Amino acid sequence: NAGVTQTPKFQVLKTGQSMTLQCAQDMNHNSMYWYRQDPGMGLRLIYYSASEGTTDKGEVPNGYNVSRLNKREFSLRLESAAPSQTSVYFCASSGTTGPYEQYFGPGTRLTVT
Amino acid sequence: GENVEQHPSTLSVQEGDSAVIKCTYSDSASNYFPWYKQELGKRPQLIIDIRSNVGEKKDQRIAVTLNKTAKHFSLHITETQPEDSAVYFCAASGSGSARQLTFGSGTQLTVLP
Repeated sequence: NAGVTQTPKFQVLKTGQSMTLQCAQDMNHNSMYWYRQDPGMGLRLIYYSASEGTTDKGEVPNGYNVSRLNKREFSLRLESAAPSQTSVYFCASSGTTGPYEQYFGPGTRLTVT
Repeated sequence: GENVEQHPSTLSVQEGDSAVIKCTYSDSASNYFPWYKQELGKRPQLIIDIRSNVGEKKDQRIAVTLNKTAKHFSLHITETQPEDSAVYFCAASGSGSARQLTFGSGTQLTVLP
């Protein structure tokens, strides 16, 4: 099992460009999440999906959109990138019945210039 | 929403000493409290977790205690080793359908040889 995979690993964008971060899990988990991690601020939830077909806003959703393509895949889109979106982005997944551990992907380091 | 505060932000200990990291949370409905370890450039990984019906849990050199009345929980690492050096995050989760986590801001632990 690959667990949670993310592409790309690194990305540099210019202000105003768009891109989609891809995430997939092979653990048959119902719930998936997108976080951003900035120095000294821990992980902040951007969007989550409790199950296939549903998505909800987290703590910092502005400037992002998501798509739960199927049970395995959950993508994050930046429509018009801004320097404030420079961050490391982590995708995670978990089951909805115990245990509740969230498994994280390797992350995408995004720089917006 | 939930708010998790974590202290200290940095902690240096001598090899073999103990380390304690403390977190407080605001939502009395939270019932799941995981701790993650993140090494430089890597993804967060779960090291131990506790549910609200338990006051303490141990796993070898790591233990977590929970005080629901005071709404705080702590991570204890005994006999620290250089490989324990990392950033540690606490988190809290309520009963929402996706069991989304709110993370603390992290503690940089350095174990000095």
